[in-house]
Amino acid sequence: QITLKESGPTLVKPTQTLTLTCTFSGFSLSTSRVGVGWIRQPPGKALEWLAVIYWDDDKRYSPSLKSRLTITKDTSKNQVVLTMINMDPVDTATYYCAHRTSGGNAGGWFDPWGQGTLVTVSP
Amino acid sequence: QSVLTQPPSVSGAPGQRVTISCTGSNSNIGSGYDVHWYQQVPGTAPKLLIYVNSNRPSGVPDRFSGSKSGTSASLAITGLQAEDEADYYCQSYDSSLSARVFGGGTKLTVL
Repeated sequence: QITLKESGPTLVKPTQTLTLTCTFSGFSLSTSRVGVGWIRQPPGKALEWLAVIYWDDDKRYSPSLKSRLTITKDTSKNQVVLTMINMDPVDTATYYCAHRTSGGNAGGWFDPWGQGTLVTVSP
Repeated sequence: QSVLTQPPSVSGAPGQRVTISCTGSNSNIGSGYDVHWYQQVPGTAPKLLIYVNSNRPSGVPDRFSGSKSGTSASLAITGLQAEDEADYYCQSYDSSLSARVFGGGTKLTVL
């Protein structure tokens, strides 16, 4: 059974850096074709894809946020870390990590998802 | 403004059939990229409902089905049940953006 759980601060100030950790079980990020992604959802709004990291350390970022995001993995700890610099109130959202299943031609799909963690950006 | 366009809301009575559209363009669905669908019950994380256009993960009732044609995809739900009340999102890939993209979401209300 695959499970993921996000952890990190619930409140950050504008201009600060956000660091979120996704701790997972039930799979290994050293296994071929495995990936972990991050997706966020502002309150009452739609899902937005942020980044994904693959077993071979390949990384992909949302073009609109690429300059602010860094995704890394620690295979030994079964963790993926997302860092977002220069936080702004518009970045207030629930941040999800999800297991990426390989298949199809659109980079695969996300299943399952973590429970999410709400991050509020406020002075 | 989402790259994939969904109706903000749909509704139906118990037992009825509803469809949710996901309209893209020639740089995403129209280029043949797969579409996936997620269901999000309020207050919970999204759950995979349909993958690669029309495939259901184990445990998803066959009341849910997906299809794709041209620059659009659709999710159909038959035999509506109260527990189907949720937000539904489509997801694909956009070659112009080189990014995974989500639709704006559709709120399904079971009357």
